[in-house]
Amino acid sequence: EDQVTQSPEALRLQEGESSSLNCSYTVSGLRGLFWYRQDPGKGPEFLFTLYSAGEEKEKERLKATLTKKESFLHITAPKPEDSATYLCAVSHAGNNRKLIWGLGTSLAVNP
Amino acid sequence: DAMVIQNPRYQVTQFGKPVTLSCSQTLNHNVMYWYQQKSSQAPKLLFHYYDKDFNNEADTPDNFQSRRPNTSFCFLDIRSPGLGDAAMYLCATSTRTGQETQYFGPGTRLLVL
Repeated sequence: EDQVTQSPEALRLQEGESSSLNCSYTVSGLRGLFWYRQDPGKGPEFLFTLYSAGEEKEKERLKATLTKKESFLHITAPKPEDSATYLCAVSHAGNNRKLIWGLGTSLAVNP
Repeated sequence: DAMVIQNPRYQVTQFGKPVTLSCSQTLNHNVMYWYQQKSSQAPKLLFHYYDKDFNNEADTPDNFQSRRPNTSFCFLDIRSPGLGDAAMYLCATSTRTGQETQYFGPGTRLLVL
């Protein structure tokens, strides 16, 4: 069955404490993996798109990496404003119209 | 800045009273999507338009309809809202389906009394 699993469900960090969020996927023919940030009561904000294993992208304190089975979102020296839910979604060859979404990781960064 | 705009941001309706949510985009994207998202859940795709071609998801209730009068605008009509339809409704756009990135609007929070 095609699915996306994110872990942990929730993560609490101290400001400056680096960590990683995981998105593992089992789909046939990955076409793209997407990371979004979602603040309470708002729509998802696009962060990164990764297309092939070995690809890496960075933006400020965030770095996304991709292997054949999973993606990591590394957060370096997080700040309280990084607190949000981080969503992962994949597009695959089996159904290219519809993304498969994970349930997200809720990140809280304490000052 | 190019963007996806949703109005209103908050909508309160009564049980069974039709409601329309709107979405507009300045990205000039071909595809527009409507999602429903409930608390602590992933977004659920309701349908999408590729240009003028409407694509409904098999599990989308008949109570939900959509219109796309032109490239920039798309509407979500809920004909007879039930209590279970209370949710965040998200509009997204992309240049085409598949591996293209979807860009989301801020969402409309629907409350059904």
